[in-house]
Amino acid sequence: QVHLQESGPGLVKPSETLSLTCSVSGGSINSHYWSWLRQPPGKGLEWIGYIYFSGSTSYNPSLKSRVTISVDTSKSQFSLKMNSMSAADTAVYYCARESNFAFDPWGQGTLVIVSS
Amino acid sequence: QSVLTQPPSLSAAPGQKVTISCSGGSSNIGNNYVSWYQQLPGTAPKLLIYENNKRPSGIPDRFSGSKSGTSATLDITGLQTGDEADYYCGTWDFSLSGGVFGGGTKLTVL
Repeated sequence: QVHLQESGPGLVKPSETLSLTCSVSGGSINSHYWSWLRQPPGKGLEWIGYIYFSGSTSYNPSLKSRVTISVDTSKSQFSLKMNSMSAADTAVYYCARESNFAFDPWGQGTLVIVSS
Repeated sequence: QSVLTQPPSLSAAPGQKVTISCSGGSSNIGNNYVSWYQQLPGTAPKLLIYENNKRPSGIPDRFSGSKSGTSATLDITGLQTGDEADYYCGTWDFSLSGGVFGGGTKLTVL
């Protein structure tokens, strides 16, 4: 059974860059799409973007200028970098496997607070 | 303002049936698969329905999905108190070239 686990800092300063990693275990990272999503406290879900194991990506147009998703198949990991962080980016960040825009499974999520 | 429209809240009694709607347009629901998620308090969302009406293994048949035109629905029958959660629909939007979700529906089982 595939298991996903997010890791990274829980606190980021305004204007800095967020770096998160998602580790995939219990299955192969190959031949799948892998996504990042987020959920601000008390609000709904937002899709950030996805990466195919080969490296092709697609990003939410509203975040595209600030986001980079990469994959390291040798480590069974994929990563999110988001620059110019602001308080509006405070959210729980999730990684998930994606197929036809259906996300399953999900990681447990990691809360990222943007504050000085 | 979400691209997909869901009722903010619904309530029903245990044992009853509830229908959660998700309304969109031709650039999203009208031409793409819809998925549904259940999010219990303090937990990650869980996939309930994919490709409009398919259930992942382990999801009870009390949960069913359908799509007609530019709208989709999630039906939950035999409501249980454990079904109290937030429910989200999601799909791809060709015009936006990105994934979109509904604003979520908070289901209360009275």
